Amino acid sequence: GAGVSQSPSNKVTEKGKDVELRCDPISGHTALYWYRQRLGQGLEFLIYFQGNSAPDKSGLPSDRFSAERTGESVSTLTIQRTQQEDSAVYLCASSLYRRQPQHFGDGTRLSIL
Amino acid sequence: ELKVEQNPLFLSMQEGKNYTIYCNYSTTSDRLYWYRQDPGKSLESLFVLLSNGAVKQEGRLMASLDTKARLSTLHITAAVHDLSATYFCAVDEETSGSRLTFGEGTQLTVNP
Repeated sequence: GAGVSQSPSNKVTEKGKDVELRCDPISGHTALYWYRQRLGQGLEFLIYFQGNSAPDKSGLPSDRFSAERTGESVSTLTIQRTQQEDSAVYLCASSLYRRQPQHFGDGTRLSIL
Repeated sequence: ELKVEQNPLFLSMQEGKNYTIYCNYSTTSDRLYWYRQDPGKSLESLFVLLSNGAVKQEGRLMASLDTKARLSTLHITAAVHDLSATYFCAVDEETSGSRLTFGEGTQLTVNP
């Protein structure tokens, strides 16, 4: 069956540009999460959406980062005025409901030149 | 703030040997996950541990959870090369109810 789909799989951009990353969760999954994984490290929580509730944005590292989700479907993570320290793999996960096992996409590898 | 620590961070072992990876965490939690990640790939769910004393086994891997000690272990029995990967534990905080806090990962290399 279809899993979590992320696009693009790779993105290379110049410092200062804005980037938009997309996540399509598993159909029917109400919860959606974004994480960041720097090279050789574990995952850092960024943001969590649950249905129509207000998102938990407590993991966003700066106001350059924002995310939206349309209902219980697609989500986009936007990074404005990218910096070199933003280079990482950005992983999206979805779960049927909060506190249920999370299923991860393949990630977007972001490189800032 | 929840802290999750894994050790060792790097593990090189011979095929056929046994070893244990440890995951310690700093606050109350009733839910812990183990994931596997191959190079350049996403995370694959291995185990979900939901209560104190929970033990789950799949093939050569066995995971356990002691919520009182705030400790989970991933035991590898008679390792084979195919188990080479990075293993992460992740803790679901009861209070946050949503985010997972990950350990740094244990990079396992099984040598023929």
